[in-house]
Amino acid sequence: NAGVTQTPKFQVLKTGQSMTLQCAQDMNHEYMSWYRQDPGMGLRLIHYSVGAGITDQGEVPNGYNVSRSTTEDFPLRLLSAAPSQTSVYFCASSFLRKNEQFFGPGTRLTVL
Amino acid sequence: DAKTTQPPSMDCAEGRAANLPCNHSTISGNEYVYWYRQIHSQGPQYIIHGLKNNETNEMASLIITEDRKSSTLILPHATLRDTAVYYCIVSLSGAGSYQLTFGKGTKLSVIP
Repeated sequence: NAGVTQTPKFQVLKTGQSMTLQCAQDMNHEYMSWYRQDPGMGLRLIHYSVGAGITDQGEVPNGYNVSRSTTEDFPLRLLSAAPSQTSVYFCASSFLRKNEQFFGPGTRLTVL
Repeated sequence: DAKTTQPPSMDCAEGRAANLPCNHSTISGNEYVYWYRQIHSQGPQYIIHGLKNNETNEMASLIITEDRKSSTLILPHATLRDTAVYYCIVSLSGAGSYQLTFGKGTKLSVIP
């Protein structure tokens, strides 16, 4: 199993640009989520999904969109990037009735 | 979710046991204690979790006090690769609650 994979590893954007961060898992997990981590801070939940077609907002959803068309994939879209979105983004997945989440390696995003 | 309190940093000599404390005095009866760690710049890694009883797996042991207001994560023989930030998280397990609220954790430094 590849586990949770994220692409790209690094990305630099200009203010106002849009992009999609990709996340995929091959463990047949129902639950997937996106977190952001700012320097010296813990992780904060952006959006999550409990299955294909079902998504919900976390603690810091503004400026981000998600969709879940398959069990395996959970992309995160930045509609109009802002410098405040400079962060490291982690995707995670788990089975629904367990909270043992598996995290991807992260995407380091810089918005200029 | 209940809030947790952890010391910001700890040192441990290589080969010795690392004992990481966590206070969660407002924990409710159906909330579990989870431990994750984050090795420099990587995604967080699940370590162990428990409800009332002490738990042990191949990575660590979790000791939860009888009143459940505090717990200790024990790494029995710390190695340099255990240097990481350790997060103690209190959360419901199972359907209905998946958000992990990460605080700032404890930065454990294993010293040669």
